[in-house]
Amino acid sequence: QSALTQPASVSGSPGQSITISCTGTSGDVGGYNYVSWYQQHPGKAPKLMIYDVSNRPSGVSNRFSGSKSGNTASLTISGLQAEDEADYYCSSYTSTSTWVFGGGTKLTVL
Amino acid sequence: QVQLQESGPGLVKPSQTLSLTCTVSGGSISSGSYYWSWIRQSAGKGLEWIGRIYSSGSTNYNPSLKSRVTISVDTSKNQFSLKLSSVTATDTAVYYCARTSDSSSSRWFDPWGQGTLVTVSS
Repeated sequence: QSALTQPASVSGSPGQSITISCTGTSGDVGGYNYVSWYQQHPGKAPKLMIYDVSNRPSGVSNRFSGSKSGNTASLTISGLQAEDEADYYCSSYTSTSTWVFGGGTKLTVL
Repeated sequence: QVQLQESGPGLVKPSQTLSLTCTVSGGSISSGSYYWSWIRQSAGKGLEWIGRIYSSGSTNYNPSLKSRVTISVDTSKNQFSLKLSSVTATDTAVYYCARTSDSSSSRWFDPWGQGTLVTVSS
């Protein structure tokens, strides 16, 4: 299985909104509503931010939202804050009952 | 709340077997409908799902690693373990364990352990 495709980096100024894309195939992103997004600060473990495409776990800011269209899922962060600067990874369940991750996107808050 | 902690050798020689254990605290590994996964992160390949296990011992592995991976569970110790055989330098990575939701209604990884770096080198 191939990794999902994410942009290597995105950036935005405080208060702005940014969107990170995650492109797969009909065998993963496009075939299931099981896309999740993880935030990872340097030296830390990944943290679940969005699950099942658009659901937020308890405790995650409503500035984070997720969506999907066809084979591409997206994570949007509104009202950017300095603390949002981190790496973000998408993940999808696949047709072979396994999981695949994206290569990660480095978010820089200018 | 549930917490996970990885443990095991940080250095493994090429061709040997990597062995790690994940200890679950704050909840029983046998309760609920959760599975338990191993995931690794290397500089060159990002995050890679290795496999997952249920408390009954039922497993599912990444096809690319299946021939070398064994995941087992010890419910009496609230632990699950990873063995990866015939390791090479490409297996050098930070290894994470994570609680996994694997139901037809919801699939995700949360929480994750802090991770442990395993280096394959002679």
